[in-house]
Amino acid sequence: RKEVEQDPGPFNVPEGATVAFNCTYSNSASQSFFWYRQDCRKEPKLLMSVYSSGNEDGRFTAQLNRASQYISLLIRDSKLSDSATYLCVVNTNAGKSTFGDGTTLTVKP
Amino acid sequence: ETGVTQSPTHLIKTRGQQVTLRCSSQSGHNTVSWYQQALGQGPQFIFQYYREEENGRGNFPPRFSGLQFPNYSSELNVNALELNDSALYLCASSFTSGRSYEQYFGPGTRLTVT
Repeated sequence: RKEVEQDPGPFNVPEGATVAFNCTYSNSASQSFFWYRQDCRKEPKLLMSVYSSGNEDGRFTAQLNRASQYISLLIRDSKLSDSATYLCVVNTNAGKSTFGDGTTLTVKP
Repeated sequence: ETGVTQSPTHLIKTRGQQVTLRCSSQSGHNTVSWYQQALGQGPQFIFQYYREEENGRGNFPPRFSGLQFPNYSSELNVNALELNDSALYLCASSFTSGRSYEQYFGPGTRLTVT
């Protein structure tokens, strides 16, 4: 079993739709959590950190459930430009970052 | 732009050769992490350097080694290249403070081993 697991998708949604991605992690000692987006053949770009209280940045909402060891990302009012692969990242205190394999989103007109 | 640069952008090597990849971190950052990303997978953590010391390592063999310099730039060295070392190599810089840090990636070096 992988340390960080994501549904690979692809998720194909129309513009304006709401879409949610989940990510589960196995290391209960994990300390910090992030979502990144990666466009085809580009480097990952930080989308947002994920806090225990949940956090929102415009159309994006991230939540963390430590008891169940999962994090989520909700995208509202999807835009064509949201089409990308979304990677969840889990860090431990030991300086190790573990990425999921990503969930691919395609937003269609 | 993140301010993280990597060189070279592309590289072709032959099996058994050695390669050195370079990364300049973002100004003010003291930590560099290296990742290997194969097609269709997420980045796999190779190791991290903090203040010139290795601070964490993933499941990569010793032929993957690194350095961090006083200006916090870094090198990744891979010896005895194998075909399955072909991948995108990413470095990420961050400022380590407390338990949480955000990483900013360079554009990567695409290595092909033939």
